[in-house]
Amino acid sequence: GEDVEQSLFLSVREGDSSVINCTYTDSSSTYLYWYKQEPGAGLQLLTYIFSNMDMKQDQRLTVLLNKKDKHLSLRIADTQTGDSAIYFCAENTTDSWGKLQFGAGTQVVVTP
Amino acid sequence: DTEVTQTPKHLVMGMTNKKSLKCEQHMGHRAMYWYKQKAKKPPELMFVYSYEKLSINESVPSRFSPECPNSSLLNLHLHALQPEDSALYLCASSRIKGGNQPQHFGDGTRLSIL
Repeated sequence: GEDVEQSLFLSVREGDSSVINCTYTDSSSTYLYWYKQEPGAGLQLLTYIFSNMDMKQDQRLTVLLNKKDKHLSLRIADTQTGDSAIYFCAENTTDSWGKLQFGAGTQVVVTP
Repeated sequence: DTEVTQTPKHLVMGMTNKKSLKCEQHMGHRAMYWYKQKAKKPPELMFVYSYEKLSINESVPSRFSPECPNSSLLNLHLHALQPEDSALYLCASSRIKGGNQPQHFGDGTRLSIL
């Protein structure tokens, strides 16, 4: 995950918005993914965005992409205790033949 | 519920044992993947199969032997593993192999080597 960086920890109060940040390095033809991993479980695909898009919204999730700065964020509105998990940002270039490059993961803890 | 099913969920084995991990998907995906994940770390790619043929081997030791008997099944055969091989083994699939194809993961097999 050296090419994709994330902050390691985020604490948020229930009902507030969470913002998880990620930076990536490959600027050519990149797809960027957000996965959620709860304890003892596999990775759940949350959403993904192509690098020619600025924003994507899906219910409580909003992905923002700043292509110039190679910065990606995931905003979770009205954060719930069930959102407590590790969130992985992952990069997948069209010439990488399906090899996901993961960030280290951000541990999100939601407090009542 | 995940659409990629992995069995068993937990496996404890000795270093001299032979065991297999199984992965199944019925989404019609033609690319399947094995990942290894250590605690508090991101998944690391091990193998990629595309149309039932091994496409990528990330220099994985030969004590791990993958097999793709058909388009829905992926196995990982284990033999003479070491304690450092204890980890969560994740299977994933995608419609085809490619950068624009999201990968869907199973819940994994948690492997402990005694």
